[in-house]
Amino acid sequence: GDSVTQMEGPVTLSEEAFLTINCTYTATGYPSLFWYVQYPGEGLQLLLKATKADDKGSNKGFEATYRKETTSFHLEKGSVQVSDSAVYFCALRGSNDYKLSFGAGTTVTVRA
Amino acid sequence: AAGVIQSPRHLIKEKRETATLKCYPIPRHDTVYWYQQGPGQDPQFLISFYEKMQSDKGSIPDRFSAQQFSDYHSELNMSSLELGDSALYFCASSPPGGSYNEQFFGPGTRLTVL
Repeated sequence: GDSVTQMEGPVTLSEEAFLTINCTYTATGYPSLFWYVQYPGEGLQLLLKATKADDKGSNKGFEATYRKETTSFHLEKGSVQVSDSAVYFCALRGSNDYKLSFGAGTTVTVRA
Repeated sequence: AAGVIQSPRHLIKEKRETATLKCYPIPRHDTVYWYQQGPGQDPQFLISFYEKMQSDKGSIPDRFSAQQFSDYHSELNMSSLELGDSALYFCASSPPGGSYNEQFFGPGTRLTVL
């Protein structure tokens, strides 16, 4: 079945550092890919998405490119802030599916 | 903008009791999803409904049941609660359209089973 493998955390960074969280997937067909963010004590918020190969999703300085040749959707941000401290989930929605399959989540802590 | 509403936000139950979680989707959204997130875990899909009919089923225990009503709100009924049912339960909704539509998540109901 469809699955997502996400870089294990936790990740601790200093403010203004570069952030990369790796995400690879296994799926048949052409899935849609998502990054969700969960701030402490809150629900899941969609950060960005990409629905076809070579699409780049971007939001709040975060970017991820749908790479079908490497089955990857790595999340990047060039200069993180303390407010980016959260848990980040990579997720996949199969081409014939409604449900989301999530990765294990990566906890990111940004220190001032 | 209106968001997904879940109630209650927190719930404490004893083992073997029952619990009912409610979800009110964003207006005009016709699909509702339920996810369970255990402590330190990723969310796991339980069940979904489209136009009041079950559309997909995941790892939902037989002790749990759910339905979507005519006003599109959904309820997750949990019986014979076990300690392992303690988790954050998310509801999400999506609007009419194709499979690319994103899911909008509610704030979750935190269930604690003692």
